[in-house]
Amino acid sequence: DAGVTQSPTHLIKTRGQQVTLRCSPISGHKSVSWYQQVLGQGPQFIFQYYEKEERGRGNFPDRFSARQFPNYSSELNVNALLLGDSALYLCASSSHEEQYFGPGTRLTVT
Amino acid sequence: QQQVKQSPQSLIVQKGGIPIINCAYENTAFDYFPWYQQFPGKGPALLIAIRPDVSEKKEGRFTISFNKSAKQFSLHIMDSQPGDSATYFCAASRMDSSYKLIFGSGTRLLVRP
Repeated sequence: DAGVTQSPTHLIKTRGQQVTLRCSPISGHKSVSWYQQVLGQGPQFIFQYYEKEERGRGNFPDRFSARQFPNYSSELNVNALLLGDSALYLCASSSHEEQYFGPGTRLTVT
Repeated sequence: QQQVKQSPQSLIVQKGGIPIINCAYENTAFDYFPWYQQFPGKGPALLIAIRPDVSEKKEGRFTISFNKSAKQFSLHIMDSQPGDSATYFCAASRMDSSYKLIFGSGTRLLVRP
């Protein structure tokens, strides 16, 4: 049974550019959450979507946006990239309180 | 304001030892407390979780102890193995915030052979 999948695995962007990260949840899970993990720290909550509706948003600027599709997959978009956006971006899939994480997308902003 | 405090930052034990990682929380509305294990370059993997109506939960070699009055919970790893060397994160969440996870800062565990 497939777990949470994310693409791409790695990404290198330049300051000011825009990036789109993708996530496919575990089959049957309707909720997807996005987290940012800076090196050496715990993940920080960015967004949660359930049935295509935004259920929660963390303390991130409006440059960060997300959406969920009818098949429950999700995209995270970040505009006007800053050096400080360099991090591991994690997608988590859940059906109830248990959240299962994907392998993440490593974003490097130069 | 950090809502979940985790200690120690790093921990070294010998194979067979019992590392203990501690977490403290502030918000009494939290009602779900998971632990995650993360290897370098990988996403966090759910290890074990507990709710505040239970004081202890065991799954294999992993045990969570929960002290509701002290607002603390801890992870014990029995008979630790070198393969347990990883970073461990505690977290807390609330049903009324759709279980948004608030993570601790992590503990890097090294188990020596």
